[in-house]
Amino acid sequence: EAQVTQNPRYLITVTGKKLTVTCSQNMNHEYMSWYRQDPGLGLRQIYYSMNVEVTDKGDVPEGYKVSRKEKRNFPLILESPSPNQTSLYFCASRAGTGGMKTQYFGPGTRLLVL
Amino acid sequence: DQQVKQNSPSLSVQEGRISILNCDYTNSMFDYFLWYKKYPAEGPTFLISISSIKDKNEDGRFTVFLNKSAKHLSLHIVPSQPGDSAVYFCAAIPNAGGTSYGKLTFGQGTILTVHP
Repeated sequence: EAQVTQNPRYLITVTGKKLTVTCSQNMNHEYMSWYRQDPGLGLRQIYYSMNVEVTDKGDVPEGYKVSRKEKRNFPLILESPSPNQTSLYFCASRAGTGGMKTQYFGPGTRLLVL
Repeated sequence: DQQVKQNSPSLSVQEGRISILNCDYTNSMFDYFLWYKKYPAEGPTFLISISSIKDKNEDGRFTVFLNKSAKHLSLHIVPSQPGDSAVYFCAAIPNAGGTSYGKLTFGQGTILTVHP
């Protein structure tokens, strides 16, 4: 089954404690992205990657890091989380051809930073 | 600076009637637009898209209209069904080529409720 998986699905942490949210896809997709969803703001893109070792900033990259060492994985790293990073996070992937209509989203990770 | 705006946070319609969801954008570099549907506790799923070279695209009960001069697009659902109740996001991609081809900007979303 084609899917994007994220772990953990729920996470409560404290300010300043480094955390990583993993994202993995089994479709051999070139493109992967991270988004956050906040009330009244919709989804905002954090980072995206066009392929292994190729990443670029989205609209809200501050406070986040990403890496793309393998095609299937695209972890999101919060080096020093702050309460304003409390949000619902989605990872997504899509093929290089076919455009955004082929984009699959993961189920989401709900993060609470105290 | 919200470049893609959905000014109606919610919309309520009767089953069988038309649902019209609206979206406005400010960036003239956007040239490809998409609508996503999202149910609670799930990720968004692609619904329909339109290129800026077209003014209409239809897929079954769903039709997207694009008015480039007004920088406005709309999604029509006819007839609406209770299973259409979800949050709908419009999104846009800039025509800048290169790495920006991966960039996607969303609106705030509109909650659609279809009553039986």
